[in-house]
Amino acid sequence: AQKITQTQPGMFVQEKEAVTLDCTYDTSDPSYGLFWYKQPSSGEMIFLIYQGSYDQQNATEGRYSLNFQKARKSANLVISASQLGDSAMYFCAMRSGGGADGLTFGKGTHLIIQP
Amino acid sequence: NAGVTQTPKFRVLKTGQSMTLLCAQDMNHEYMYWYRQDPGMGLRLIHYSVGEGTTAKGEVPDGYNVSRLKKQNFLLGLESAAPSQTSVYFCASGGNYYEQYFGPGTRLTVT
Repeated sequence: AQKITQTQPGMFVQEKEAVTLDCTYDTSDPSYGLFWYKQPSSGEMIFLIYQGSYDQQNATEGRYSLNFQKARKSANLVISASQLGDSAMYFCAMRSGGGADGLTFGKGTHLIIQP
Repeated sequence: NAGVTQTPKFRVLKTGQSMTLLCAQDMNHEYMYWYRQDPGMGLRLIHYSVGEGTTAKGEVPDGYNVSRLKKQNFLLGLESAAPSQTSVYFCASGGNYYEQYFGPGTRLTVT
């Protein structure tokens, strides 16, 4: 069985500061993928970034980067220079194995950016 | 290119009624998924499909049925709705292992 743990139910951060959202995972499969999604108050799920278990480098997408520490089984999302529009729920998710099974999600972190 | 669309956006059912949620994608994706999201929780997989004519159970399949008669459509059925099925339902599709695009969601209330 696979599991995602997000230990920060909520976070308050000052605008323009960097933010790190924690995510730890558990799987016995050597092949897996890690995802981060943003869910604003409007409710849609927005894909942010993906990291494969065999990727040598940490994934980056604009202001988003994934701090992948395989030995610790952690996949933290880093948002540089936070903006008011970053206020949202953030979900970490994973998929194990090489198939097309669905994602397993964590419970999310509610991020609030303060001016 | 509309991406992933869901019909309807909102629905209120009485206990015991049935309904079907429709998911459509125009990206020619093989894989499609149905999730539910309850307050304070992440999304949980209900059923999924790896191709036209195929379906498989996810983490919380009880009380739901699905069909994938056409590649672009994935239907989620509730035969006899229960208050415990009050939730937001998300459909997603993907063309490969590292992508999964979500629809806007359907908010369902069962009274």
